[in-house]
Amino acid sequence: AQSVTQLDSQVPVFEEAPVELRCNYSSSVSVYLFWYVQYPNQGLQLLLKYLSGSTLVKGINGFEAEFNKSQTSFHLRKPSVHISDTAEYFCAVSDPQIQGAQKLVFGQGTRLTINP
Amino acid sequence: DARVTQTPRHKVTEMGQEVTMRCQPILGHNTVFWYRQTMMQGLELLAYFRNRAPLDDSGMPKDRFSAEMPDATLATLKIQPSEPRDSAVYFCASGLSTGKLFFGSGTQLSVL
Repeated sequence: AQSVTQLDSQVPVFEEAPVELRCNYSSSVSVYLFWYVQYPNQGLQLLLKYLSGSTLVKGINGFEAEFNKSQTSFHLRKPSVHISDTAEYFCAVSDPQIQGAQKLVFGQGTRLTINP
Repeated sequence: DARVTQTPRHKVTEMGQEVTMRCQPILGHNTVFWYRQTMMQGLELLAYFRNRAPLDDSGMPKDRFSAEMPDATLATLKIQPSEPRDSAVYFCASGLSTGKLFFGSGTQLSVL
């Protein structure tokens, strides 16, 4: 079975500072990896995804993530955050071999708070 | 913009009552998912459908929950009877390509 661990439940950061949100996964097979963002009182939106190819993936809103197979990690980064980045961020994994790879297993989420 | 529509946005009910949540997926999407979000458990997959056929409902308590897709424009999640532990936000999501799911705004359910 696959699982995702987001190592930090809350991350406070000052505006314009860099941020890294950590995600580790557990799987015995190859995986697809995703980051989703949830703004208050809204559903989740896809930030970026890794399916294959380059291990550095760029997403929307200036975010990027790097797939590290040896460390089974998929950390999310942004070099300079804005107040509007305040949200909950979810890492997710799926098995490419199972039913179109759309069955996502989500981590517990990391609440990113940007302070002025 | 195409979006997943969920109704109602909020529902307050008493224990033992039936609750029905509805979802209109994005036109043309062939997979529909139901997730439940709570502080303690995070996001849990309850059930999902492809081309209206149920593929996996292993995350759903079978004795009280049921999920259906009567047609391509409507998915329903029903709880009968509801219990206080069912209080959560229920999300519907639809998708077409690998891993890119579009989520609705959720139904916030409170069972008193």
